[in-house]
Amino acid sequence: GESVGLHLPTLSVQEGDNSIINCAYSNSASDYFIWYKQESGKGPQFIIDIRSNMDKRQGQRVTVLLNKTVKHLSLQIAATQPGDSAVYFCAVLDQTGANNLFFGTGTRLTVIP
Amino acid sequence: DAGITQSPRHKVTETGTPVTLRCHQTENHRYMYWYRQDPGHGLRLIHYSYGVKDTDKGEVSDGYSVSRSKTEDFLLTLESATSSQTSVYFCAISESRVNNQPQHFGDGTRLSIL
Repeated sequence: GESVGLHLPTLSVQEGDNSIINCAYSNSASDYFIWYKQESGKGPQFIIDIRSNMDKRQGQRVTVLLNKTVKHLSLQIAATQPGDSAVYFCAVLDQTGANNLFFGTGTRLTVIP
Repeated sequence: DAGITQSPRHKVTETGTPVTLRCHQTENHRYMYWYRQDPGHGLRLIHYSYGVKDTDKGEVSDGYSVSRSKTEDFLLTLESATSSQTSVYFCAISESRVNNQPQHFGDGTRLSIL
């Protein structure tokens, strides 16, 4: 199986600074990873994904880094804005069994104006 | 937003009563999922469906059943609700399970069992 953990339950950053949210996973066979954003009262919203044949992928103001050696991935948000305040969590696909996604518990990002 | 509608959005009911939550999609995706979200836990899979009338258990399936009679609808039933089933329930859809496609989520149903 798979277990997923995030390093910090909360993170506060100044508006305009960069944010880094971390996630660790346990199964070295995992090969697909997703970051989600969840705002209060809403469902998780897909941000960006990465496959294990890559170590970096960029989107609009977001970058995901994957380090398969230490089983760690991170989400970097550039020039953080108040609208980025939310809970962020990673999901890892466990392809050794039933192809289920395993989710971390999330990091609550607060952007200070 | 992906075309996923969950109903009801909020429900309060009593222990021992049956409860059915509905998920409706307009994306024609093959796969549909039910998760629960609780403090201190990541989203946990209850059941999923890989086609009409095709379902399978997830990590926390005890006390839940599902049905999928049409591609667009996936129902989650609590046969006899218990207080431990108080949670926020999310439906998700995806085009694939093995080709690395993300799951997209509805906005959830907040269920309270008194």
